[in-house]
Amino acid sequence: SQKIEQNSEALNIQEGKTATLTCNYTNYSPAYLQWYRQDPGRGPVFLLLIRENEKEKRKERLKVTFDTTLKQSLFHITASQPADSATYLCALNPGNTPLVFGKGTRLSVIA
Amino acid sequence: DAGVIQSPRHEVTEMGQEVTLRCKPISGHNSLFWYRQTMMRGLELLIYFNNNVPIDDSGMPEDRFSAKMPNASFSTLKIQPSEPRDSAVYFCASTLTGDYTEAFFGQGTRLTVV
Repeated sequence: SQKIEQNSEALNIQEGKTATLTCNYTNYSPAYLQWYRQDPGRGPVFLLLIRENEKEKRKERLKVTFDTTLKQSLFHITASQPADSATYLCALNPGNTPLVFGKGTRLSVIA
Repeated sequence: DAGVIQSPRHEVTEMGQEVTLRCKPISGHNSLFWYRQTMMRGLELLIYFNNNVPIDDSGMPEDRFSAKMPNASFSTLKIQPSEPRDSAVYFCASTLTGDYTEAFFGQGTRLTVV
């Protein structure tokens, strides 16, 4: 069956460290993968998109990698801050259909 | 643009009552999606529309759920009759049709059925 798994339900890290979140998928061949941020009581907000032919994408302190062989994406936040605390969702496009989302990882950055 | 607008933000209703959730997508977006979010199952797609036409409603849990998009600027999700297990946060999202497009979500409607 098709699955998207975000390995950690919750992740706690110290301020200033790099947070690394993992998204694995099975039985999909996505053309691209997206990452969203969701704050409590709010809808998800788009952060980054990476295409299947891209290995890495960066935006300010954010970095995303996409390995179609391993069927995995890694999402990094460098120099993390308490304001980065939120739930991060990965989503992929399984073809000509809407995005399918993982359950998310709740990140807490501790000062 | 004000973004995707959903109403109401919160809804508490008694089991058996009809519930109607509303969504105004971003102007110019031609795809609209209804998702439901719970702790157990995460974000699940219920139904989506392209150019106001329902394309796939296979995610709609039961016949008690129905959705309409009478025009490009308005959509409704109706639950009749509502049940306690329908309690969740319901999100509407819109995009431009095409590849590599990000989804824009509304603030969600938190539904509690007692």
